[in-house]
Amino acid sequence: SYVLTQPPSVSVAPGKTARITCGGNNIGSKSVHWYQQKPGQAPVLVIYYDSDRPSGIPERFSGSNSGNTATLTISRVEAGDEADYYCQVWDSSSDHPVVFGGGTKLTVL
Amino acid sequence: EVQLVESGGGLVQPGGSLRLSCAASGFTFSSYAMHWVRQAPGKGLEYVSAISSNGGSTYYANSVKGRFTISRDNSKNTLYLQMGSLRAEDMAVYYCARDGSYCGGDCYSWYFDYWGQGTLVTVSS
Repeated sequence: SYVLTQPPSVSVAPGKTARITCGGNNIGSKSVHWYQQKPGQAPVLVIYYDSDRPSGIPERFSGSNSGNTATLTISRVEAGDEADYYCQVWDSSSDHPVVFGGGTKLTVL
Repeated sequence: EVQLVESGGGLVQPGGSLRLSCAASGFTFSSYAMHWVRQAPGKGLEYVSAISSNGGSTYYANSVKGRFTISRDNSKNTLYLQMGSLRAEDMAVYYCARDGSYCGGDCYSWYFDYWGQGTLVTVSS
């Protein structure tokens, strides 16, 4: 089955840029979606189809996808961005077509 | 405002059954595929099941196939997950989620734009 690999943790100072990666075999050929989950809360969609932002998500959140790596970029990081972030794809060739990455804990220093 | 409210979670013994419900409001429920995603305590997200907008097609993860049944009642704007032969590894918070695309038939976008707050299923003797 298809595997998505995320770093367990990323740390960034307030006001700086955070980049969270999601690795997968030829992930650039798939659509990648990103979710933010704060402690005790449900996940929230922050990026879909690689780089689209749902309404209400700040422009500080952006996404890219190429080759074997998709990236969620959070500019001008705020304390409120501290959360777990999950990437997700749909792999039509897999027997487990909906795949989530293991998640990345973003810590704002 | 889109709202998804799960209910039905609780404590169940191994081998037991439970039915989860997800009440939807704020959108045309019958025009969206719906999904269940779970999260074991302290773990990541795991996909469980999907149902198309008209109920004509369903999908199950291998880990629950043959034990869980997804269904929906579009007249009641409600999604269900009937869980049977429950195991310790099924213990998790179960979220219902709306499919990302409006669709009146058997189609899915396979991403999730709104999620409920979740309901906890505890499997223990």
